[in-house]
Amino acid sequence: GAGVSQTPSNKVTEKGKYVELRCDPISGHTALYWYRQSLGQGPEFLIYFQGTGAADDSGLPNDRFFAVRPEGSVSTLKIQRTERGDSAVYLCASSLRHSTGGVNEQFFGPGTRLTVL
Amino acid sequence: GDSVTQMEGPVTLSEEAFLTINCTYTATGYPSLFWYVQYPGEGLQLLLKATKADDKGSNKGFEATYRKETTSFHLEKGSVQVSDSAVYFCALSDIAGGKLIFGQGTELSVKP
Repeated sequence: GAGVSQTPSNKVTEKGKYVELRCDPISGHTALYWYRQSLGQGPEFLIYFQGTGAADDSGLPNDRFFAVRPEGSVSTLKIQRTERGDSAVYLCASSLRHSTGGVNEQFFGPGTRLTVL
Repeated sequence: GDSVTQMEGPVTLSEEAFLTINCTYTATGYPSLFWYVQYPGEGLQLLLKATKADDKGSNKGFEATYRKETTSFHLEKGSVQVSDSAVYFCALSDIAGGKLIFGQGTELSVKP
């Protein structure tokens, strides 16, 4: 079946612009996660959704970052007034459901490479 | 807060050599532990996992044992292949939530 998909695969923007990154999870997966991966580093958690609600947004670096999942499926990560430091690969993952202890496997998408000039 | 530290790369080995990639963690409570792999040009994939102390995760010839006493989850493989060349990430999932906390990754290059 189809895996997690993310669009666009690449996004180049100018400093100060607004961008939206989309994630389409695996059908039936109620938990959805966003991570950010800088060059040479491991992914860093940003936010996760259980259904439509953001259950944990503690990883969002500041109020320029916002994410939604209005119907409990597709999610959009929104970045306002982009800065050069926002350049990274943004990863989305989904799992069947969140469970205490985190034993459900998270399936990752290919990522969106964001470059802020 | 919770964290994961893994050995720095790149690691270069000859085919059929023994592989160890060290991983240690800091966490409150008893997290679940994972190894993810990222092959060139591909997304992150779960390689193996262990959910409690002394559990051994295994897949594709790779193994890792959850050692609570040393807070470690070292990845091993007895005989690596060129196709194992990839970046390997150790990760934990905390008790309270499902988010993954990753190490910085170790790049493995296997030469024929």
